[in-house]
Amino acid sequence: QQQVKQSPQSLIVQKGGISIINCAYENTAFDYFPWYQQFPGKGPALLIAIRPDVSEKKEGRFTISFNKSAKQFSLHIMDSQPGDSATYFCAASSTGFQKLVFGTGTRLLVSP
Amino acid sequence: DVKVTQSSRYLVKRTGEKVFLECVQDMDHENMFWYRQDPGLGLRLIYFSYDVKMKEKGDIPEGYSVSREKKERFSLILESASTNQTSMYLCASSLGWVVGSEQFFGPGTRLTVL
Repeated sequence: QQQVKQSPQSLIVQKGGISIINCAYENTAFDYFPWYQQFPGKGPALLIAIRPDVSEKKEGRFTISFNKSAKQFSLHIMDSQPGDSATYFCAASSTGFQKLVFGTGTRLLVSP
Repeated sequence: DVKVTQSSRYLVKRTGEKVFLECVQDMDHENMFWYRQDPGLGLRLIYFSYDVKMKEKGDIPEGYSVSREKKERFSLILESASTNQTSMYLCASSLGWVVGSEQFFGPGTRLTVL
């Protein structure tokens, strides 16, 4: 119930293409869904987050799509750039709980 | 600029040794967390603390303990290191009871237990 399932484990996209990473959850109490980005040798950093009262949130080239009925959310990276090459983690938490449940991560490589 | 620092970037220890990993944050955050990161397993919570001297077990607390004597410092202790504790350890902090509070991570400590 506490798991967040993330796919794919790794992804190779050509420069300029769209990168899509998917996550699914079971716990209907989850009400906060962030994505973290981690570059090699660094700790993860918050990239973008969404709450279930909206179906989409966009920040620059990064968009979260949220499907409450399917209990799924995804990260779309438009016009992917080599500098986007990193590991991406989805996560979820619920009101009153400060802990995040993380997905297993997706290693994205954007080829030049 | 907000900062979470970890005492070592790389650490090599022998089986059975007691290991201390230190984390310091300068943001006056109430919450602090210790995770381990392993390929294919993502970030798994070991322990977290929501106040000085307060701690709560995460998903994988076995073989670990923690200490938080001051608000800015959170220590992870491996009582008797074992080879299966070879991993990347990440510390994070976040603001108190704000819903959806961003977690700020340190750069990690890569621990190898021989």
